[in-house]
Amino acid sequence: ETGVTQTPRHLVMGMTNKKSLKCEQHLGHNAMYWYKQSAKKPLELMFVYSLEERVENNSVPSRFSPECPNSSHLFLHLHTLQPEDSALYLCASSQDAGTIYSGNTIYFGEGSWLTVV
Amino acid sequence: GNSVTQMEGPVTLSEEAFLTINCTYTATGYPSLFWYVQYPGEGLQLLLKATKADDKGSNKGFEATYRKETTSFHLEKGSVQVSDSAVYFCALSLGGTSYGKLTFGQGTILTVHP
Repeated sequence: ETGVTQTPRHLVMGMTNKKSLKCEQHLGHNAMYWYKQSAKKPLELMFVYSLEERVENNSVPSRFSPECPNSSHLFLHLHTLQPEDSALYLCASSQDAGTIYSGNTIYFGEGSWLTVV
Repeated sequence: GNSVTQMEGPVTLSEEAFLTINCTYTATGYPSLFWYVQYPGEGLQLLLKATKADDKGSNKGFEATYRKETTSFHLEKGSVQVSDSAVYFCALSLGGTSYGKLTFGQGTILTVHP
């Protein structure tokens, strides 16, 4: 139990569907992240939220739409995805998003396995 | 730019063998360094970290020392167990405006046989 909970753990969706991934952190952190883990590729940062404001969008296509209604919750809204978007989507959180002291530990959830058919 | 390079896997060992997984990095600045572990079907868990040169991170019998002169952070364990079978990721993080972003290596698959 890392304090970061993701739902659903598994999701299968068609290319015309709209679905959402949900993340909740119970650590009192101020920053939340979405990472993507694809087969045979390093983990890629997608989005960073600090105090509910998006501070980084790492060139992610608009078919992925994040939402952070408060510092404990983060969503990733999915629409008109492609089969190559199938991957493990990892949510993470940390105390702060940007500090001079870089030892800011990032804690990950267990991930949501997404399959686009 | 910033990058992390890990030794190619998969690594296959017998139980009680010595483990080394090499990790080197390039970074513009003074990063913190991390090892994360991913067990089958699960997300990433922080294994250990080091935040400045010569620091040694340790946890569950694993160790890694931050070597600035060789820009390395190799993971070691003296005696592996079957339960250590997982994917291991080396990562770095810079402060300031990098927004806590982690740059990961490609991961190394470790399989330990009884």
